[in-house]
Amino acid sequence: QSALTQPASVSGSPGQSITISCTGTSSDVGAYNYVSWYQQHPGKAPKLMIYDVSNRPSGVSSRFSGSKSGNTASLTISGLQAEDEADYFCSSYTRSISVIFGGGTKVTVL
Amino acid sequence: QVQLQESGPGLVKPSETLSLTCTVSGGSISNFYWSWIRQPPGKGLEWIGYIYYSGSTSYNPSLKSRVTISVDTSKNQFSLKLSSVTAADTAVYYCARDILDSRGSRRGAFDIWGQGTMVAVS
Repeated sequence: QSALTQPASVSGSPGQSITISCTGTSSDVGAYNYVSWYQQHPGKAPKLMIYDVSNRPSGVSSRFSGSKSGNTASLTISGLQAEDEADYFCSSYTRSISVIFGGGTKVTVL
Repeated sequence: QVQLQESGPGLVKPSETLSLTCTVSGGSISNFYWSWIRQPPGKGLEWIGYIYYSGSTSYNPSLKSRVTISVDTSKNQFSLKLSSVTAADTAVYYCARDILDSRGSRRGAFDIWGQGTMVAVS
């Protein structure tokens, strides 16, 4: 089973909104509402930002939101800030492998 | 709050076995699923497998023949062994805690991560 498909990079200016897509199949993203998003700064461990498609863990800014349509999930960052510059990974539960990740998207704040 | 810390050799020879331990502090290892996840340099994440505190396991099919995950509840630790390593196994290895849903089932999300430990095969 291949990794979920994410764009390699997305950029935006401070204050803007950006959206990162995460495309899977009917066996993973499309089959379960168990899509998660992680933020990873260089040299750091990933941080959970969204789980169950659209739920935010305690302490995560409301500027981060998630959604899903069919086999594609999306992460939107509104009011982009310099500290949001990082790599973002999506993941999905899948019965065959249990968890599959996306290849990652580098977010650049211009 | 719960914290995870990986430990183990940073260098392993080809064909040998990689062994890492994750120590859980600030909380009990009981009633949770615990996973190992790795990230080759400059690449994405790969789930390796999980263990439930009771000892039940599940592994990524791509690694299943080489992976063993075990738990020691008395020490609040769980461990990873990956045999017959090659250069392709060079990565940062993370341990992480699985989030459970209301029924106590896994949902494929990880809320607590260790800082990660780099293991090079050479």
